[in-house]
Amino acid sequence: DVKVTQSSRYLVKRTGEKVFLECVQDMDHENMFWYRQDPGLGLRLIYFSYDVKMKEKGDIPEGYSVSREKKERFSLILESASTNQTSMYLCASSTRDRDFKNIQYFGAGTRLSVL
Amino acid sequence: DQQVKQNSPSLSVQEGRISILNCDYTNSMFDYFLWYKKYPAEGPTFLISISSIKDKNEDGRFTVFLNKSAKHLSLHIVPSQPGDSAVYFCAARFGNQFYFGTGTSLTVIP
Repeated sequence: DVKVTQSSRYLVKRTGEKVFLECVQDMDHENMFWYRQDPGLGLRLIYFSYDVKMKEKGDIPEGYSVSREKKERFSLILESASTNQTSMYLCASSTRDRDFKNIQYFGAGTRLSVL
Repeated sequence: DQQVKQNSPSLSVQEGRISILNCDYTNSMFDYFLWYKKYPAEGPTFLISISSIKDKNEDGRFTVFLNKSAKHLSLHIVPSQPGDSAVYFCAARFGNQFYFGTGTSLTVIP
């Protein structure tokens, strides 16, 4: 059974703190993604990675960075958390094989509150 | 600028009837379309997909229709069941990226 695990379900941080959100997948997928989900805005892509040590900016990368040192792990970093980064964060992974359905598998999400 | 739009934030349907969820997109280069279902406190899960070279794909109670000329995608659920109550997201692929709609919350009334 496929599995994408996000390290925390709920997180409360203070403005200015450095925040790490961790994501691990056990499917040997090449691609990994970080989204944030906000009411009325759907899922918006922050960053994605198609290989170890590779990263690409998504639609809203400002205020975020990522790290992919190992194939199974993709970390999202908030360098200095701000209240407008309060959101639900979703990690996903997919195979690179474009002939396949290219389905993304999602973690359960991390609800981050920045006070 | 939202490239994938779901204009109905919510939909209520009686159990046993058909649910129709709609999605519009603007980028004609999208080559693959997917529907995801999301329950509260869970991540989205894949439901059904369709390639841009097809106009219909069916999987049990779920059928996705694609109208490329209108840039319109729809998901039909027949018959609707209370367990189908969830938020449904449509998504479209371009290159390595997926673009998601804002979601439609479906409530199936027993």
